[in-house]
Amino acid sequence: EVQLVESGGGLVQPGGSLRLSCVASGFTFGANGMSWVRQAPGKGLESVAYIGIGGRSGEYADSVKGRFTISRDDAETSLYLQMNSLRADDTAVYYCASGRGQSSTFDYWGQGTLVTVSS
Amino acid sequence: DIQLTQSPSSLSASEGDRVTITCRTSQNIRIFLNWYQQKPGKAPKLLIHEASSLQSEVPSRFSGGGSGTDFTLTISSLQPEDFATYYCQQSYSTPTFGQGTKVEIK
Repeated sequence: EVQLVESGGGLVQPGGSLRLSCVASGFTFGANGMSWVRQAPGKGLESVAYIGIGGRSGEYADSVKGRFTISRDDAETSLYLQMNSLRADDTAVYYCASGRGQSSTFDYWGQGTLVTVSS
Repeated sequence: DIQLTQSPSSLSASEGDRVTITCRTSQNIRIFLNWYQQKPGKAPKLLIHEASSLQSEVPSRFSGGGSGTDFTLTISSLQPEDFATYYCQQSYSTPTFGQGTKVEIK
């Protein structure tokens, strides 16, 4: 059974940092692109960061470029999102999602972790 | 980034109705268009990939079509469990989503 389990969310002050983690199981993690997709309260979906197979670099939404960094550890079957300089509009549920092979077609999703940026 | 525009933003329909949602992209993405269903408090679920391929275990009443910049998701006979929000997403380049279409009970 495929599982993606996110952790690391919580309450953080504006300007602060947070690191999200996603542990994967049930599939060949290293053979899939991975992404972080967020959803602000009552809003739609936004892919904020994507990392391909091998994971040497990421692709980012303009809204987080320069502030967020995506990384992966294939040996640990884990995905990470380092979030710096957090703003109130980063408040959202953050989902970890796996791509079909190298593509960014997301066939498996985690349950999400809530990040709240507030003073 | 490639922009995706869904229409309508919301619709009301009855059980058994045929429903079509459209997604228009800001540039040609060939067939690299996916559709997801999301219910409140749950993660999205992949329904259709590469414009028209039905994901495993998704009921056959769901179908997708289109290529280039214009795409559709059709539900042939709406069931109670289909009331949800639907999103299109392009996988041609850095992924982006449409704004969503909420399907509500009439």
